[in-house]
Amino acid sequence: EAGVAQSPRYKIIEKRQSVAFWCNPISGHATLYWYQQILGQGPKLLIQFQNNGVVDDSQLPKDRFSAERLKGVDSTLKIQPAKLEDSAVYLCASSPGLAGGSDTQYFGPGTRLTVL
Amino acid sequence: QKEVEQNSGPLSVPEGAIASLNCTYSDRVSQSFFWYRQYSGKSPELIMSIYSNGDKEDGRFTAQLNKASQYVSLLIRDSQPSDSATYLCAVNTDTGGFKTIFGAGTRLFVKA
Repeated sequence: EAGVAQSPRYKIIEKRQSVAFWCNPISGHATLYWYQQILGQGPKLLIQFQNNGVVDDSQLPKDRFSAERLKGVDSTLKIQPAKLEDSAVYLCASSPGLAGGSDTQYFGPGTRLTVL
Repeated sequence: QKEVEQNSGPLSVPEGAIASLNCTYSDRVSQSFFWYRQYSGKSPELIMSIYSNGDKEDGRFTAQLNKASQYVSLLIRDSQPSDSATYLCAVNTDTGGFKTIFGAGTRLFVKA
């Protein structure tokens, strides 16, 4: 079974530029998560989808971050415009069950973003 | 108060010893608890999940949960150098919407 795929793996941009990340979850997984992990910290949930609907986006900085999950499968996370403090690893995860359950989350390899 | 607190470490133990990792959480209604291992430069991977009070064992790993004290721990027996990683405690909460809250992690070093 293929794991969670993410691209790109690395991205370097200058502040005020835009960037987009892509995630393809494990086939059949209903729930998809985007996390931000700053160096030395634990992952912080940004947004959670169940199929193609948003379950929670309370920690997403909506003035600059946006996300969508097309047809309940792939997802993109966009930052526009980027700030220096957005430098982090962006992790995508998926789980088979519905949001609110106790499923294991399977993480992708992450995208390391550096904002100069 | 942080929602999920862990000692950042580093925790250093000799090979073959027991490593004890601790985590406290603030939301009393939390029901699901997880331990993830994260090697440097890699993504987190699940080691153990626990949902009810008491101990849960899986090979060299034992998770312990005490909901009254809002405390969850992970014991690693016969520690190996390959266990050297950051261990993340994660808690599912329904307060203010369902979400998973991670602690900052404890770095473990197992000395050969």
